[in-house]
Amino acid sequence: EAGVAQSPRYKIIEKRQSVAFWCNPISGHATLYWYQQILGQGPKLLIQFQNNGVVDDSQLPKDRFSAERLKGVDSTLKIQPAKLEDSAVYLCASSLLAGLAGGRGIYNEQFFGPGTRLTVL
Amino acid sequence: GNSVTQMEGPVTLSEEAFLTINCTYTATGYPSLFWYVQYPGEGLQLLLKATKADDKGSNKGFEATYRKETTSFHLEKGSVQVSDSAVYFCALSEGAAGNKLTFGGGTRVLVKP
Repeated sequence: EAGVAQSPRYKIIEKRQSVAFWCNPISGHATLYWYQQILGQGPKLLIQFQNNGVVDDSQLPKDRFSAERLKGVDSTLKIQPAKLEDSAVYLCASSLLAGLAGGRGIYNEQFFGPGTRLTVL
Repeated sequence: GNSVTQMEGPVTLSEEAFLTINCTYTATGYPSLFWYVQYPGEGLQLLLKATKADDKGSNKGFEATYRKETTSFHLEKGSVQVSDSAVYFCALSEGAAGNKLTFGGGTRVLVKP
């Protein structure tokens, strides 16, 4: 089974430039996540999609970051304009449909892609 | 809000040594707990999980027990190998969506032959 695909693997840009990352989740996975992992820290969720709808984007800096998941499959994450502090690894993950049972969240394993390492100069 | 705290690294060990990585958490409800591992040059992988108090997760010789009374989920392995060199992340999942992960800062482990 193919894993989560991401491209590009590496990107170097100047501050104030724009950049876009692409993610293709595992086939059949309804839920897609974008995380930001700053060097030396754990991943932080930026946005979670369920099919093509947004479930959680509370930590997405919406003045410069945007994401979409048209048709509920592939997703793109864009930064415009980039700042120095955006230098990080951007991880995409996917899982089966997240949901509830008995009032409690049901965890479905998230499968992570290799990430895109962004350097902003 | 939810948070996860784990011991800072790097942790440097000799092969066949005992490994412990401490992890404590803060959550408002009943989280599920996880350990993820990131090998050099690879993506994050789920190592083990526990979904309720007193559950023990285990995989590849690693173990962790969900301790609700101490809000901890320490990772242990009795005899490490060079191939265990990686960054280990403790994480929790809670909430209505069920799948949102909150990660700790990660602990780098280096095992020397």
